[in-house]
Amino acid sequence: GAVVSQHPSRVICKSGTSVKIECRSLDFQATTMFWYRQFPKQSLMLMATSNEGSKATYEQGVEKDKFLINHASLTLSTLTVTSAHPEDSSFYICSASNDRVGQPQHFGDGTRLSIL
Amino acid sequence: KQEVTQIPAALSVPEGENLVLNCSFTDSAIYNLQWFRQDPGKGLTSLLLIQSSQREQTSGRLNASLDKSSGRSTLYIAASQPGDSATYLCAVMGVGNTNAGKSTFGDGTTLTVKP
Repeated sequence: GAVVSQHPSRVICKSGTSVKIECRSLDFQATTMFWYRQFPKQSLMLMATSNEGSKATYEQGVEKDKFLINHASLTLSTLTVTSAHPEDSSFYICSASNDRVGQPQHFGDGTRLSIL
Repeated sequence: KQEVTQIPAALSVPEGENLVLNCSFTDSAIYNLQWFRQDPGKGLTSLLLIQSSQREQTSGRLNASLDKSSGRSTLYIAASQPGDSATYLCAVMGVGNTNAGKSTFGDGTTLTVKP
């Protein structure tokens, strides 16, 4: 069964709306989670690293004020796309791994965001 | 900066064929390499994980190999079935202070298995 739950799976909203996406690790604690973005017919690109209890680390070119990340607990990270515009439409996926050595990355099912 | 390349970009085979998907990466300092499957519009399903110290992993009809020194991995699918049709992604996880836990993905190979 799924070890990382991502919600919602699909969002369609008007331009200017802020959208929050949740990523939960279901049966393990994750001090670090990762957020990826996937454009159509392209691969996943890392956006940011979400750190429990501290600020997220953003990859080059990713606007931190646009994509707000909050890692509120060891099992929950949220990504908020603020004032979303059509160019923000994409597939967003989170991942987490048990902090034990050698454990694989588990990915959420993704959130398809469509901004009208 | 790590770069991951997957060849071919697309592959179409008749049912029952054995096939090989290729993945290459530029920085051999990796923690592990993972193969995923992605169906259209869906998330990722992990297929096989190879630690940097390992040479291969097997699961059912799937076998993945890793040659870290040459920066290559292959995914072998035996006796392909129409249900294997999907995009296969290769991802390498980095090491070190700045790259630990981060995965770099290839662009994927889209496989079509014809009945």
